[in-house]
Amino acid sequence: ETGVTQTPRHLVMGMTNKKSLKCEQHLGHNAMYWYKQSAKKPLELMFVYSLEERVENNSVPSRFSPECPNSSHLFLHLHTLQPEDSALYLCASSQGIGGVKNEQFFGPGTRLTVL
Amino acid sequence: GENVEQHPSTLSVQEGDSAVIKCTYSDSASNYFPWYKQELGKRPQLIIDIRSNVGEKKDQRIAVTLNKTAKHFSLHITETQPEDSAVYFCAASQGTSGTYKYIFGTGTRLKVLA
Repeated sequence: ETGVTQTPRHLVMGMTNKKSLKCEQHLGHNAMYWYKQSAKKPLELMFVYSLEERVENNSVPSRFSPECPNSSHLFLHLHTLQPEDSALYLCASSQGIGGVKNEQFFGPGTRLTVL
Repeated sequence: GENVEQHPSTLSVQEGDSAVIKCTYSDSASNYFPWYKQELGKRPQLIIDIRSNVGEKKDQRIAVTLNKTAKHFSLHITETQPEDSAVYFCAASQGTSGTYKYIFGTGTRLKVLA
């Protein structure tokens, strides 16, 4: 699969578990994003990274911890989640600094269920 | 805070008719307005976008209009087809540090009836 990939596609975890979501982009982009998509709510921007530096943190609870080791990979570490955190988590990337296109390319998402 | 309102939340049209979805944004610094289509179980995909220096843009059956003064922008789909059925999201954004913070609307579920 090309473009933006995410693993796992589905994840069920208990409230005391620790898990990580992974995103990888094969587009040579410099900016990456995490979004949360819940039913009947707009896509909520969680984190933005530009050249591996976090430039946006939208008041996300500390139980979500992002990591961007390089411009191609983005992780979301999950710890002590709540049932209301169940949602589709989407990763996206864009050209970023020096680019002329604003378009964000989305991954297929990870469907997270917290029991 | 910044927000984008999108209406209607659901829209049903007969095949061949037109569909219009409207969005209003609050941040006057927004300068880029994309529209995404998300089919059931799939990722959002860009279908058309418009920048603040343009009032209208068209791509085949899809067009977007922007009224900066009123902070309104709209998606127009003509000659709708069953494959147009999906959820459509508008967004308003501005570039910061080379990234683009999108504020999305709540989405419109479009159903095209055959």
